[in-house]
Amino acid sequence: AQSVTQLGSHVSVSEGALVLLRCNYSSSVPPYLFWYVQYPNQGLQLLLKYTSAATLVKGINGFEAEFKKSETSFHLTKPSAHMSDAAEYFCAVSDPMYSGGGADGLTFGKGTHLIIQP
Amino acid sequence: DTEVTQTPKHLVMGMTNKKSLKCEQHMGHRAMYWYKQKAKKPPELMFVYSYEKLSINESVPSRFSPECPNSSLLNLHLHALQPEDSALYLCASSGTGLAGYNEQFFGPGTRLTVL
Repeated sequence: AQSVTQLGSHVSVSEGALVLLRCNYSSSVPPYLFWYVQYPNQGLQLLLKYTSAATLVKGINGFEAEFKKSETSFHLTKPSAHMSDAAEYFCAVSDPMYSGGGADGLTFGKGTHLIIQP
Repeated sequence: DTEVTQTPKHLVMGMTNKKSLKCEQHMGHRAMYWYKQKAKKPPELMFVYSYEKLSINESVPSRFSPECPNSSLLNLHLHALQPEDSALYLCASSGTGLAGYNEQFFGPGTRLTVL
């Protein structure tokens, strides 16, 4: 089964500093990878996705992620943190080989709580 | 319209009650999902519907009964739940097959408390 590992359950950065949230996947073939953000008491919002079209993926709110096959990683970055970025971030994976016209569920990492220090 | 709506937002029920959660999308998606999220945990997949047919059931207890009446609606019927079933229940929808890339759009969730 596919899985992702997020290193660091909590990450704290100062406002204006670089944000780096780590995600590693375990799969013999490059999967589809996603980063979602969840604000308190809300659903999940897609930040960006990797679907093999490009290794550097740009998302919403200034976030981007780079797919590195050699490192089996898909880390999320943002050059300058804002207070509004404080939230829970989830890396997720799905199986690109799922066929038959159906759909596969997402498997999520444990999440990283991003704290922004003023 | 890129919105997935869920009702109710909050639900409190006793262990002997029967209730239903409702999810609706109008994006033309043919795959819909139910996830369960406990506090400070990631969402866990419960069910997947593809073209109105149940395609994945992640060994969910029978006290949870999903239903997909049409391509826009997804229900989750609840009966004889336990206090440990208290959680945020998230609905999502996506395209299907390779073209869909499984980019899932999530609703705001229903916060369920079982007394």
